[in-house]
Parts: sequence; C-alpha cells; structure tokens
Amino acid sequence: TQLLEQSPQFLSIQEGENLTVYCNSSSVFSSLQWYRQEPGEGPVLLVTVVTGGEVKKLKRLTFQFGDARKDSSLHITAAQPGDTGLYLCAGVSAGGYNKLIFGAGTRLAVHP
Amino acid sequence: EPEVTQTPSHQVTQMGQEVILRCVPISNHLYFYWYRQILGQKVEFLVSFYNNEISEKSEIFDDQFSVERPDGSNFTLKIRSTKLEDSAMYFCASSYESPGANVLTFGAGSRLTVL
Repeated sequence: TQLLEQSPQFLSIQEGENLTVYCNSSSVFSSLQWYRQEPGEGPVLLVTVVTGGEVKKLKRLTFQFGDARKDSSLHITAAQPGDTGLYLCAGVSAGGYNKLIFGAGTRLAVHP
Repeated sequence: EPEVTQTPSHQVTQMGQEVILRCVPISNHLYFYWYRQILGQKVEFLVSFYNNEISEKSEIFDDQFSVERPDGSNFTLKIRSTKLEDSAMYFCASSYESPGANVLTFGAGSRLTVL
C-alpha cells in the first residue's frame, strides 16, 4: 500500500515567518500535487510537480519534488493570515494513472 | 471559471437506506472520480470512470457502491444500503486527461450522515 506522510500535522506561526511542509513516501510517484482545502469545500489544486528535482514557484510558495520522486516540500515565505488553511499533498502512483493518494494534510494557522 | 457541481450539499439518512449523490462534472472533461473524506481522516479514492466504464476502484468501493453517467452530463454515486461508517464527505472530481498529466477539479462535496 502506498502512503504519503505529511509533517507537521499542525503549524501555528506569526505573520511574516517562513515555514516548510513535508510530504514523504517510500514509494515512487509519477507526479505529485499540492492542494489547499478550506472548511466545507473540496481540495483546490495549487501545483503539480512531475520531474525529479523540479522546483515550482507560485508567488510566496515554493514547491519541490525530490530527485527520486518519493518526497516533496512546500515552503511559504513571509506567511500571511490568508495562507491559513489545510494543505494536502497527493501523489499519482508510478504504476497507475487513475487515482490520487492523499496525505493526511498539514493544518496551518497564521496569526496577525 | 468552470466548476464541478455536487448535490445535495448535505444528506441525512437512516442506516440501510439507499442514497444517490449527484455530480455535474466540467462539460469537456473525460475522466470522473469519486473520493471520500471521513471526518478527521485522509481524502480516499473510491472510483474512477472513463469512457462509460469504471477504470479503477478501491477496496472501499464494494458491491454496495455503484456509479453511473446516465445522460452524458450527470455522474452519480449510489450507495445501496448505507452503513454508519459510510458517513463522510463525498467529493466528485473531473479531469480532461488522466490525473498525472492534468488538473483534477473537485466539487464542494456532499456530506452524508447515516443515523
């Protein structure tokens, strides 16, 4: 069974601080996606990383896919209260193509 | 911006009753999915549907579950005889290509409460 472990589970920081969220697995994924989920809503895609070692930037968010395509990280620079939410990583297994395997999520709270 | 629409937003049912959750995927999308999220737990894959047939399903998707695309626009999930443990948020999603290559768009979810 393929698993994605996210850490930390919870993160509470002050506005302006930097943070990194990790997504790790012992399995190889053909691609990995990061989502943000608000209460009572479905996950919304932030980014997809496909190539080992790939780095993508989305304003203050930087996403990295590990060289071996088993892990990924999300780094937020100068966090703002609007960044508060649940961040989920989800992988597409290298052997299949039809399903996403989700991590449990990191709940981020950014205080003014 | 195109969106995936789900109804109902919340359904309360008695154990043993049949439930149908409805979804209208994005109109030009070809792949359709159901995921569920039990309160406090991970989002879990249930089933994927392509070219009018199930392309993959999880262990959760047993004989009590079925999916249908009855009219080319709706995509439904039926639970034949609900159990307490079926209580969860059910998310429909659609994509133009297989998820590894393309964006999956999720609906807002249907919350199912089984009493």
